[in-house]
Amino acid sequence: NAGVTQTPKFQVLKTGQSMTLQCAQDMNHNSMYWYRQDPGMGLRLIYYSASEGTTDKGEVPNGYNVSRLNKREFSLRLESAAPSQTSVYFCASSLSHYEQYFGPGTRLTVT
Amino acid sequence: GEDVEQSLFLSVREGDSSVINCTYTDSSSTYLYWYKQEPGAGLQLLTYIFSNMDMKQDQRLTVLLNKKDKHLSLRIADTQTGDSAIYFCAESGGGSQGNLIFGKGTKLSVKP
Repeated sequence: NAGVTQTPKFQVLKTGQSMTLQCAQDMNHNSMYWYRQDPGMGLRLIYYSASEGTTDKGEVPNGYNVSRLNKREFSLRLESAAPSQTSVYFCASSLSHYEQYFGPGTRLTVT
Repeated sequence: GEDVEQSLFLSVREGDSSVINCTYTDSSSTYLYWYKQEPGAGLQLLTYIFSNMDMKQDQRLTVLLNKKDKHLSLRIADTQTGDSAIYFCAESGGGSQGNLIFGKGTKLSVKP
């Protein structure tokens, strides 16, 4: 039982490049979330998926897209990376309404 | 809008008690949470309290909730150097999606 896994752990992109952050959970959770964490800002919700096949915007969705491929996987895509997207990205999942389990994070730098 | 406030830093000596405070704005929050983040790691759920409770104790951790003042605290008894981390307060943001609203985190430093 690995919990929530994220790949890659680290990534450096040039401005304008695209990439997809992968997240998977093996706890049979219905809901999945993508957050970004910036110094002094806490965690901010980018997108979430309440169930397979549904996605909704969070607080800071601009510049991102998501796909809930199946119940296990929830990916986050940056189509054209910008320096403002340099951050640590966390994926989380939950079964009950509010108890969320977090992955180890992806540290992204955009130059 | 919904907001969660915490002080940014707390420094204590090993063996002392630590108290981390948090205020929130959404009076309809059903649950309030404390998460711990160690350096380079993700967030780990420490404990949570249902909004109709005043207190919850779990080994060295005590959570106090003052719903009238919208104030939540986390007390760590006999603080150890391994407790050094960032502690996040979070409230359930309402709605059907289970969204959480996080504070900015309190960095706890434990001096030997």
